[in-house]
Amino acid sequence: DVKVTQSSRYLVKRTGEKVFLECVQDMDHENMFWYRQDPGLGLRLIYFSYDVKMKEKGDIPEGYSVSREKKERFSLILESASTNQTSMYLCASSLVSSGKYEQYFGPGTRLTVT
Amino acid sequence: QQQVKQSPQSLIVQKGGISIINCAYENTAFDYFPWYQQFPGKGPALLIAIRPDVSEKKEGRFTISFNKSAKQFSLHIMDSQPGDSATYFCAASQISSGSARQLTFGSGTQLTVLP
Repeated sequence: DVKVTQSSRYLVKRTGEKVFLECVQDMDHENMFWYRQDPGLGLRLIYFSYDVKMKEKGDIPEGYSVSREKKERFSLILESASTNQTSMYLCASSLVSSGKYEQYFGPGTRLTVT
Repeated sequence: QQQVKQSPQSLIVQKGGISIINCAYENTAFDYFPWYQQFPGKGPALLIAIRPDVSEKKEGRFTISFNKSAKQFSLHIMDSQPGDSATYFCAASQISSGSARQLTFGSGTQLTVLP
């Protein structure tokens, strides 16, 4: 089974702090994604990566950056956390092969910025 | 701009009933339409998906109906069970950079199936 793990289930940070959210997948997937999930808004794509050191902006990249130094690991960075970044953050991965479009999600990190 | 609109926001159904969730999209570049199911404390998981060259796909009690001309698709859950109580997200996918498939999600429907 594909396993996507996220470093923390719950995280509380102060405004202005630098925050790192880590995601690791164990299935050698090329693609990795970071979403935030908010009630009534669904899942919104922040950034994705289709290869090591490659990254693309999603729909809401402002205030975030990402890092992918190894294929299995994709990090989301909040350079200076703000209260409007309080949310559930979900990491996902997927395989690049014909017909295989499924994204596998981690359990999420609930981040509270105070 | 919400590219995939989902309704209703919440749905309560009696056990054995039919649950219906609707989605509409705008971008004609979308070419793959999955539904994800999310239980509390878990990440979403793929439930069923359809491509626009077919009008219906059925897997067990779950059916997707797809209307390409109207740019609408829906999830039907037949014989709904309390274990189906979850949040359901429709999504639409298009090819993106490096062959990555980007998903655009609807806002979600919280389904409650009463025993």
